Amino acid sequence: EVQLVESGGGLVKPGGSLTLSCAASGFNFKSYGMKWVRQAPGKGLECVSSISGSSSDIKYADSVKGRFTISRDNAKNSLFLQMNSLRAEDTAVYYCARAAAAGNYFDHWGQGTLVTVSS
Amino acid sequence: QSVLTQPPSVSGAPGQRVTISCTGSSSNIGTGYDVHWYRQLPGTAPKLLIYGNKNRPSGVPDRFSGSRSGTSASLAITGVQAEDEADYYCQSYDTSLDDYVFGTGTEVTVL
Repeated sequence: EVQLVESGGGLVKPGGSLTLSCAASGFNFKSYGMKWVRQAPGKGLECVSSISGSSSDIKYADSVKGRFTISRDNAKNSLFLQMNSLRAEDTAVYYCARAAAAGNYFDHWGQGTLVTVSS
Repeated sequence: QSVLTQPPSVSGAPGQRVTISCTGSSSNIGTGYDVHWYRQLPGTAPKLLIYGNKNRPSGVPDRFSGSRSGTSASLAITGVQAEDEADYYCQSYDTSLDDYVFGTGTEVTVL
């Protein structure tokens, strides 16, 4: 069974940093692209960042470019999101999601971790 | 920031057919990229409902169906049930943004 479990969320002050983790199991992790998707309270879904299986292809939304860094450790089946210079507008539930092997969609999602940026 | 447009809400009585539209543009759905749908129950993560415009993952009831035409797509729930109350999101790929894009989301209410 595919499982994605996020951790690392919490309350952080504006300008602060936080690192999110996503532990993957039940599939050949290195063979799949992965993404971080966030959802602000009461709002819709936004792709934040993506990384290919080999880490050779990395993308960021304009809203986080230069502040967030995505990475993965295939030996440990783990995905990460380093978030710096956090702003109030970064407050959201952050989901890690697996990109389907064939097709531009997400076939599995984690349960999400809440990041709150507030003084 | 959502690139695809959906109605904010739709409603129907139990057993009725409800449809949700998803309108895109020539840089996403209109280019021929597939549309996918997710259902998000309150307080939970989104879950894949329809992929490749009309395909249902294992376990998704056949009362859910999808279609795509031109620059738009639609999701139909035939015989809506109380358990279908949730938020629904469409998703595609956008060539201008070079990334996955989501719809604005639609809340389904069963009267």
